[in-house]
Amino acid sequence: AQTVTQSQPEMSVQEAETVTLSCTYDTSESDYYLFWYKQPPSRQMILVIRQEAYKQQNATENRFSVNFQKAAKSFSLKISDSQLGDAAMYFCAYRGSTNNNAGNMLTFGGGTRLMVKP
Amino acid sequence: GAVVSQHPSWVICKSGTSVKIECRSLDFQATTMFWYRQFPKQSLMLMATSNEGSKATYEQGVEKDKFLINHASLTLSTLTVTSAHPEDSSFYICSARDPPDRDTEAFFGQGTRLTVV
Repeated sequence: AQTVTQSQPEMSVQEAETVTLSCTYDTSESDYYLFWYKQPPSRQMILVIRQEAYKQQNATENRFSVNFQKAAKSFSLKISDSQLGDAAMYFCAYRGSTNNNAGNMLTFGGGTRLMVKP
Repeated sequence: GAVVSQHPSWVICKSGTSVKIECRSLDFQATTMFWYRQFPKQSLMLMATSNEGSKATYEQGVEKDKFLINHASLTLSTLTVTSAHPEDSSFYICSARDPPDRDTEAFFGQGTRLTVV
């Protein structure tokens, strides 16, 4: 079974600074997807960024970028120019590639609470 | 993007009663939906996978007779918490993906906060 680990329960960053959230995972598959989701106080899950394992290039979405190290099974999220609105829970998630139930389901890490100081 | 609507957003019920939570895909057909449970300050834990026209697949430790799932159409899955107890109080979230494109993301409902008194 796949597992996702987020080793940082809480992180703090000064507004306008950069912060990196860590995520490691364990899988025997070679093709899969990785995601970072943001959960603000409203608790609505919001997709921040995604990475396909078959792509070597790290995904980037505006101020958000990832460092995907497939051999190390590491998938960290970097938030640049942090804003007050970035404060939330961040969850790393894994999804297999096969189009059956097991491949469709997301496995989540334990989450990291990000606080942004003004 | 695709939208998943969950209703109600919050509900309070008495112990021993049942409560139904709906999850709808508004602009796509979802043959598979997922139900998660989230305790305060914890991650999302998959409860079950809801399959249209067939029985749901429950994760280990989840009582299928207590958490009844019905996926009667391609746009609606329901989770019924039967004979609710205070320990069932939690945040329940559904999600769906627009098949069959393997590259599509999962979309989440707004969640339902259940309080059993």
